[in-house]
Amino acid sequence: AQKITQTQPGMFVQEKEAVTLDCTYDTSDQSYGLFWYKQPSSGEMIFLIYQGSYDEQNATEGRYSLNFQKARKSANLVISASQLGDSAMYFCAMRENQGGSEKLVFGKGTKLTVNP
Amino acid sequence: EPEVTQTPSHQVTQMGQEVILRCVPISNHLYFYWYRQILGQKVEFLVSFYNNEISEKSEIFDDQFSVERPDGSNFTLKIRSTKLEDSAMYFCASTADTPYEQYFGPGTRLTVT
Repeated sequence: AQKITQTQPGMFVQEKEAVTLDCTYDTSDQSYGLFWYKQPSSGEMIFLIYQGSYDEQNATEGRYSLNFQKARKSANLVISASQLGDSAMYFCAMRENQGGSEKLVFGKGTKLTVNP
Repeated sequence: EPEVTQTPSHQVTQMGQEVILRCVPISNHLYFYWYRQILGQKVEFLVSFYNNEISEKSEIFDDQFSVERPDGSNFTLKIRSTKLEDSAMYFCASTADTPYEQYFGPGTRLTVT
């Protein structure tokens, strides 16, 4: 079974509008972390935002916010005021604490295209 | 701002050859990782390394792979006898402490011909 599911292979948004990228996860751990990374066409992986399972507030970093709904096991990324430079692949990832594992498990990604 | 660096950016090798991918993690980080991404696919965990030993490895990380921290700054991934299916982008990552964010290097694109 997939640990991280990103159901949107591609998304389009107009410049200056907000967009939500979906991510659902599957874990039996009580303690875990959720991450979003951006991968532009140049290939590097850029950390965007982190949400811990015990964090009561949704994480925010500038124009990025994470809509964390624990009961639904979803951790959607919201990008406000989209810019052309936001066009990239976006990956959701999870780190489970079970057994002291440190690895990140990634979803398949969503390709975001920002139109002028 | 400190960053993870990787060399080379692109490596082309023939099947059966050995390759060494190099990484310099962020200097005060303690945990090191290798991931790979086959073109168009998701990023997959290979191995984690802490306190000079492997702490976890995936089923992908078989006997053909090895990691080493030969000095205080470098972290290497060696593939002993490359196969066509090893062609991928290989990312090194590091973190100061878990459970915090892992910082990724720019990647090495390995092409096996």
